[in-house]
Amino acid sequence: QQQVKQSPQSLIVQKGGISIINCAYENTAFDYFPWYQQFPGKGPALLIAIRPDVSEKKEGRFTISFNKSAKQFSLHIMDSQPGDSATYFCAANALSSGGGADGLTFGKGTHLIIQP
Amino acid sequence: AAGVIQSPRHLIKEKRETATLKCYPIPRHDTVYWYQQGPGQDPQFLISFYEKMQSDKGSIPDRFSAQQFSDYHSELNMSSLELGDSALYFCASSLDRGELFFGEGSRLTVL
Repeated sequence: QQQVKQSPQSLIVQKGGISIINCAYENTAFDYFPWYQQFPGKGPALLIAIRPDVSEKKEGRFTISFNKSAKQFSLHIMDSQPGDSATYFCAANALSSGGGADGLTFGKGTHLIIQP
Repeated sequence: AAGVIQSPRHLIKEKRETATLKCYPIPRHDTVYWYQQGPGQDPQFLISFYEKMQSDKGSIPDRFSAQQFSDYHSELNMSSLELGDSALYFCASSLDRGELFFGEGSRLTVL
């Protein structure tokens, strides 16, 4: 059972466009939602993260939107650049209930290609 | 800033051999996690340690074992290797079970 469902599996966006990746979760104990960026052969790198007490968080061109009632969150990449081409993973964890011991539950990933 | 250090970066083994991967967490981080990532797959949680004690186990085969030492570095031992064990193995660390920071990974190829 995939506790964090991510879509789309792959995405092609023109340079300068907006890339949008969506995730949905089941476990209401989740209270920490990070996004990781991974380049081929490299480790996942923390991009941006949100807690459920806010509905949006923005860092530069990257924005997380969070809908607690719908149990959904999404990553928006504004002015997408070829260097953003990578695999993006959403994830979730239940930190406040001591669930951090097993780390993160990852989505299946989205392979993003930004065309010049 | 110091990051999570993993070694070796690449490892080639034959079937039924044994492999050991090492992980040095970010200084002062108290939790270490091991993940396995197959080609085109998301990282799968294997095992974690908090303050040198095993904290939780995920989908780790019985052929695998791990431990965390007094200096907080961790080792993942894999025995009776199978072709299906070929993957990227990531170590991550965190402080107070907060944000996870990943290493560059160790690529294991089993022939």
